[in-house]
Amino acid sequence: NAGVMQNPRHLVRRRGQEARLRCSPMKGHSHVYWYRQLPEEGLKFMVYLQKENIIDESGMPKERFSAEFPKEGPSILRIQQVVRGDSAAYFCASSPPSDLGSEQFFGPGTRLTVL
Amino acid sequence: AQKVTQAQTEISVVEKEDVTLDCVYETRDTTYYLFWYKQPPSGELVFLIRRNSFDEQNEISGRYSWNFQKSTSSFNFTITASQVVDSAVYFCALLGNTGFQKLVFGTGTRLLVSP
Repeated sequence: NAGVMQNPRHLVRRRGQEARLRCSPMKGHSHVYWYRQLPEEGLKFMVYLQKENIIDESGMPKERFSAEFPKEGPSILRIQQVVRGDSAAYFCASSPPSDLGSEQFFGPGTRLTVL
Repeated sequence: AQKVTQAQTEISVVEKEDVTLDCVYETRDTTYYLFWYKQPPSGELVFLIRRNSFDEQNEISGRYSWNFQKSTSSFNFTITASQVVDSAVYFCALLGNTGFQKLVFGTGTRLLVSP
């Protein structure tokens, strides 16, 4: 059973370009979470999605950031017009549809560098 | 509001020493879960333990042990006879029952184990 997959592992963008980060959850998992880790900091929650629904996006910046988890295919975190401050590691996690407290399994992360 | 505090930014020990990583949390939820994750230099997040708020039994897993004290809102992690491979950043995290499955992370403690 493959774990959570994220690609690309490393992404370099110039200021103003778009960044697309992909996350494929573990088989059987329908809940996806995105977290951001700025350099030398802990992880901060961004958004929680279920298939075709955004459940909680309280941690998403108001502008330039969007996320989706379509019926088919991976979850996508999209950052438009990237700026240097977007440079960070972005982690995706998934969990099965179950009660509160189920373990979130993390992917290896995508390290975004904005030049 | 929910908060996790890891006051120790960095700890350095020599191999075979015991080391305790502190974690203090704040929540108003009556049901919640506490987690520890390890982030080695390679960058991925490795799940170590999950504990729910109704289970105050301490847990031991090999050289790892966890001390959950609800009275002091602490969930400390001890590594016995540390090894160089234990060098990593360790994160404590909290999941409440009013946060839509949102993990709240501490800022992490960097553990350096030297030979």
